Amino acid sequence: EAGVTQFPSHSVIEKGQTVTLRCDPISGHDNLYWYRRVMGKEIKFLLHFVKESKQDESGMPNNRFLAERTGGTYSTLKVQPAELEDSGVYFCASSPLGLYGYTFGSGTRLTVV
Amino acid sequence: DQQVKQNSPSLSVQEGRISILNCDYTNSMFDYFLWYKKYPAEGPTFLISISSIKDKNEDGRFTVFLNKSAKHLSLHIVPSQPGDSAVYFCAAVDRGSTLGRLYFGRGTQLTVWP
Repeated sequence: EAGVTQFPSHSVIEKGQTVTLRCDPISGHDNLYWYRRVMGKEIKFLLHFVKESKQDESGMPNNRFLAERTGGTYSTLKVQPAELEDSGVYFCASSPLGLYGYTFGSGTRLTVV
Repeated sequence: DQQVKQNSPSLSVQEGRISILNCDYTNSMFDYFLWYKKYPAEGPTFLISISSIKDKNEDGRFTVFLNKSAKHLSLHIVPSQPGDSAVYFCAAVDRGSTLGRLYFGRGTQLTVWP
């Protein structure tokens, strides 16, 4: 079974630019989550999809962040325009409905300079 | 405001001995707890979990203990092996909420030396 796949693994962009992160969850997993870890801090929730619907986006920092999940399959997280404080590792995770032991992807390390 | 706290950023243990990683939480609505292990450049991997109706759950070398009155849980690894060296994250969820989000601690870097 393929795991959760994230693209790109690293991204370095200048402040003010736009970046789009992609996540391909495990096939058949209805739950898809985005989390972020700023260096040395806790892994923080950003948002949760159930299939193509946003179940909870209360963790999104501000309206510069936009997440979509096309047809209940892959998801994208766009940051526009990027700010320095957006730097961190963005993790995507997926799980079947009702299961909390998510499978995480390897993350996208975003550096805004 | 952090609802899950791991107050030890690092722990160093000799191979073969016991590793004890600690975690405290503040939200009394949390009723399910998980431990994840993370190697560099990889995502966290689910390790073991415990429901609030239990006080202990064991899986091979890994045992999680839950003390609800103290709002404290711990992960015991015995015997510790060099391959256990990783960052360990404690996480909690309120299953009564339909939201399903996990609340994580900051992690504890475990180093197991030969």
